Amino acid sequence: AQRVTQPEKLLSVFKGAPVELKCNYSYSGSPELFWYVQYSRQRLQLLLRHISRESIKGFTADLNKGETSFHLKKPFAQEEDSAMYYCALSGRDTGRRALTFGSGTRLQVQP
Amino acid sequence: DAMVIQNPRYQVTQFGKPVTLSCSQTLNHNVMYWYQQKSSQAPKLLFHYYDKDFNNEADTPDNFQSRRPNTSFCFLDIRSPGLGDAAMYLCATSRPGQGYQPQHFGDGTRLSIL
Repeated sequence: AQRVTQPEKLLSVFKGAPVELKCNYSYSGSPELFWYVQYSRQRLQLLLRHISRESIKGFTADLNKGETSFHLKKPFAQEEDSAMYYCALSGRDTGRRALTFGSGTRLQVQP
Repeated sequence: DAMVIQNPRYQVTQFGKPVTLSCSQTLNHNVMYWYQQKSSQAPKLLFHYYDKDFNNEADTPDNFQSRRPNTSFCFLDIRSPGLGDAAMYLCATSRPGQGYQPQHFGDGTRLSIL
């Protein structure tokens, strides 16, 4: 079975502070991990995926298979980063296309 | 702008009265998904279509059905809505292919049950 856990429902930081949104997963096979973001009044959209190893809007995330984690990080938070963030997993080796989502973390960046 | 469009944005129905939610896409993607998202919870996959091939999740109640008459449209039918079915329903699409293809989401339809 696949499971994604985001332990924090809400993370509040001040502008310029570092941000780390935690994500842990449970999956016996070879996972693909993603971060999706939903800004206020907008649709859910892909932020980044582990396989791309890219930085989007200053955010990065590294897949740690030993700790089964995929935490999202940004060194200096901006007010426009305030949004709902979902970690998601897809079981690549099963050919299963569907995503298993975590329950989400709301990031509030205060001025 | 190619999009995933869900209608209506808000739907109110009565307990036990059948309701249909609509999703259309201009992306020409082969795969279409329906997710249910209850308040403060993760989106949960109900089922998906790969072209006309229907894939139901094991724990999706029989009360939920889906139709895909063509590539562009996909419908979610709730035969006898209960109070527990009040939720946001999200439609998403993706291309097929090796490895994971990003899913493109609609704005969702928020369903209320009276």
